[in-house]
Amino acid sequence: AQKVTQAQTEISVVEKEDVTLDCVYETRDTTYYLFWYKQPPSGELVFLIRRNSFDEQNEISGRYSWNFQKSTSSFNFTITASQVVDSAVYFCALSEADTNAGKSTFGDGTTLTVKP
Amino acid sequence: DSGVTQTPKHLITATGQRVTLRCSPRSGDLSVYWYQQSLDQGLQFLIHYYNGEERAKGNILERFSAQQFPDLHSELNLSSLELGDSALYFCASSAGDRGDEQFFGPGTRLTVL
Repeated sequence: AQKVTQAQTEISVVEKEDVTLDCVYETRDTTYYLFWYKQPPSGELVFLIRRNSFDEQNEISGRYSWNFQKSTSSFNFTITASQVVDSAVYFCALSEADTNAGKSTFGDGTTLTVKP
Repeated sequence: DSGVTQTPKHLITATGQRVTLRCSPRSGDLSVYWYQQSLDQGLQFLIHYYNGEERAKGNILERFSAQQFPDLHSELNLSSLELGDSALYFCASSAGDRGDEQFFGPGTRLTVL
């Protein structure tokens, strides 16, 4: 069975600090997808990134970066120079890549609070 | 605005009742996904449809059923409702059927009294 663990339940930082959100996953599949989603206080879910299990390149998008390490089954998310608008709950998710490709398993989420 | 619409926004009903939640995907998207978010269970995948066909099933109760219609909108039917079914139900859509970026609707808040 697939499992996603986000060990950090809550993180609080001061604006402009860098922060890393951890995600560790378990799967027996050799091909899978990893995702990060953001859920701001308004409640909607926003897709941030998708990573295929064969693509271990790190990705940077503005202040956001992701570090995928298959050896440690981790897919960590770093926000550089955090801003108050980054305050949200962040979910890491894992989905199968074959016939059950739409089936996702989510972590419990990390609540990030960025204080001015 | 993600382009995914869900109706109704809020729903209050009693135990034992049946409700239908509706989702219209983004124009051109063929996949629809349903998720349940509750305080005790977190975010749970329920079911995925692609172009009218069921593709993957998650922890969806037998009292719950869904379908995707020829115009690609989807409905999630919840019956014999229990207090524990109170949750936020999200619908999402994507262009393809595997690993695509998903666009989420605003959710339907279901309260069972």
